[in-house]
Amino acid sequence: GNSVTQMEGPVTLSEEAFLTINCTYTATGYPSLFWYVQYPGEGLQLLLKATKADDKGSNKGFEATYRKETTSFHLEKGSVQVSDSAVYFCALSLRNQGGKLIFGQGTELSVKP
Amino acid sequence: DGGITQSPKYLFRKEGQNVTLSCEQNLNHDAMYWYRQDPGQGLRLIYYSQIVNDFQKGDIAEGYSVSREKKESFPLTVTSAQKNPTAFYLCASSIDQIGNQPQHFGDGTRLSIL
Repeated sequence: GNSVTQMEGPVTLSEEAFLTINCTYTATGYPSLFWYVQYPGEGLQLLLKATKADDKGSNKGFEATYRKETTSFHLEKGSVQVSDSAVYFCALSLRNQGGKLIFGQGTELSVKP
Repeated sequence: DGGITQSPKYLFRKEGQNVTLSCEQNLNHDAMYWYRQDPGQGLRLIYYSQIVNDFQKGDIAEGYSVSREKKESFPLTVTSAQKNPTAFYLCASSIDQIGNQPQHFGDGTRLSIL
């Protein structure tokens, strides 16, 4: 079936450290891929997206590249800030299936000053 | 500002009681979704609707019901048949039913059992 797997959290980093959160997927067909961020007590906010192979999504210093050959969409940021502390979700949607999202389990990031 | 409004923010249910969670959007989106989030887990789809007066079951629809009488509104009822309703419920909408465009989320309703 279709699924998304993220690296286990929590991830704890010092400010200005490099961040990688791994995300791999299994899907029939060609999904669109998304990263969402959730701050405590809030809903999800779109961080970035990619809709086809080799696309790179970027926003607020975060980047992820759609790798069809490795079925991956890893999230990276060169220098994290305390304000980046949140839970990050990788998700996919399949075309012509009502736009439903399939989520990974989420990765909690904690950035220390 | 356009967005999705969920209410109430916190809700308590007694045993055997049905409760209804509200979700309203002013984004003029056709598609709307309900997800359930449990601690340490991703979101799971309960129901979705691509157009007014039509909706589909998601992965965990048992014990829940929805209606879509207006484009702007997609209320979720948690019935007494849902034996483990304590969770964080998120409503979302999207302009796109194909899957290329992102979903916009409300701030959620936290449901607890008394």
